[in-house]
Amino acid sequence: GIQVEQSPPDLILQEGANSTLRCNFSDSVNNLQWFHQNPWGQLINLFYIPSGTKQNGRLSATTVATERYSLLYISSSQTTDSGVYFCAVLMIYNQGGKLIFGQGTELSVKP
Amino acid sequence: NAGVTQTPKFQVLKTGQSMTLQCAQDMNHNSMYWYRQDPGMGLRLIYYSASEGTTDKGEVPNGYNVSRLNKREFSLRLESAAPSQTSVYFCASILYGSTDTQYFGPGTRLTVL
Repeated sequence: GIQVEQSPPDLILQEGANSTLRCNFSDSVNNLQWFHQNPWGQLINLFYIPSGTKQNGRLSATTVATERYSLLYISSSQTTDSGVYFCAVLMIYNQGGKLIFGQGTELSVKP
Repeated sequence: NAGVTQTPKFQVLKTGQSMTLQCAQDMNHNSMYWYRQDPGMGLRLIYYSASEGTTDKGEVPNGYNVSRLNKREFSLRLESAAPSQTSVYFCASILYGSTDTQYFGPGTRLTVL
């Protein structure tokens, strides 16, 4: 089956620093999504980005589908950015689609 | 519009007991999913329902059953709980075929003693 790999597994930043998270996937996908899981466990959609670039405030994401990777950029990081960031790819399967998740990048932003 | 709701939020079971986790969505989504998340790991798909009346196994279906009761509700049943099923369970839904993203419930934290 498709493999989804994220790097780095852990990241510690000083508040105000920038970072780039990477997601590699092993096969063609129909779409790719980025999620943030906050320290209380809640999963929040960040981006739906099968290709191209999107920006939302301090966060932006780029997916290069032909090269099978996606990047999540966090600029001017804040302590509230802490948590785990997951990418997930949607595979078409039977009558529907299912998401395959990477293992996540755990981000800790220090004040 | 409550989104995706799950009950209960917390549960402690003894080995061999059974229980049903409930999930409902009010977004008129056609596809619903159950995942489990173990410490330090990503989410693994247990079962999913592409549409009302259909269910399919995911990556880790053993020990679980599901019911798609109607378009809104998708339940997950543990017939005989085992300590290996201690985990956080998330329900999710999506309007498959659209450009929408998957929406997650708040999770159920289950401990099996």
